[in-house]
Amino acid sequence: AQRVTQPEKLLSVFKGAPVELKCNYSYSGSPELFWYVQYSRQRLQLLLRHISRESIKGFTADLNKGETSFHLKKPFAQEEDSAMYYCALFNQAGTALIFGKGTTLSVSS
Amino acid sequence: NAGVTQTPKFQVLKTGQSMTLQCAQDMNHEYMSWYRQDPGMGLRLIHYSVGAGITDQGEVPNGYNVSRSTTEDFPLRLLSAAPSQTSVYFCASSWGGSPNYGYTFGSGTRLTVV
Repeated sequence: AQRVTQPEKLLSVFKGAPVELKCNYSYSGSPELFWYVQYSRQRLQLLLRHISRESIKGFTADLNKGETSFHLKKPFAQEEDSAMYYCALFNQAGTALIFGKGTTLSVSS
Repeated sequence: NAGVTQTPKFQVLKTGQSMTLQCAQDMNHEYMSWYRQDPGMGLRLIHYSVGAGITDQGEVPNGYNVSRSTTEDFPLRLLSAAPSQTSVYFCASSWGGSPNYGYTFGSGTRLTVV
């Protein structure tokens, strides 16, 4: 069965510290993975797609098929990074996204 | 370009009442989905559609109905509201099932059932 696990509900770091938001998945075959971000009381926005191997707002994520992980990383956190982050996976048929439970990132000065 | 529009933004219902949450997109997206967002539960898929006339159930479909008569609209109907349906509901749309296409989300409907 396809599943996304985000083990941390809350991650608190200081400004300038490195950040790693964990995401593990369960999927048969080659997964299509995404990170979405939701700033306070706003709609969800696409942050990263694993297929594009891009860096957005300083965030990167690498797919590790051996560890079935897609962790989100940023070397130096900023206060404006404070938000809810969701890891998501296309379902087996590619017809909808399956989300994890989300991790709240809190960056303080 | 409006993107994905959800109405209403807020709604209070009494137990047993019915209502329809509206979702419209103007991007000619084929794929549309409904999610509910609850604290500690993340976003859970309710129903989804891959085109006009085609719908399917997600993870938590009970108590909800959908239909897709046009590409633009994907309404979500609560048949008999229950307090357990108190949640924030998000609609999303996409060109298709390729990883090259992200989903665009609406701003949400905050529903309270008393």
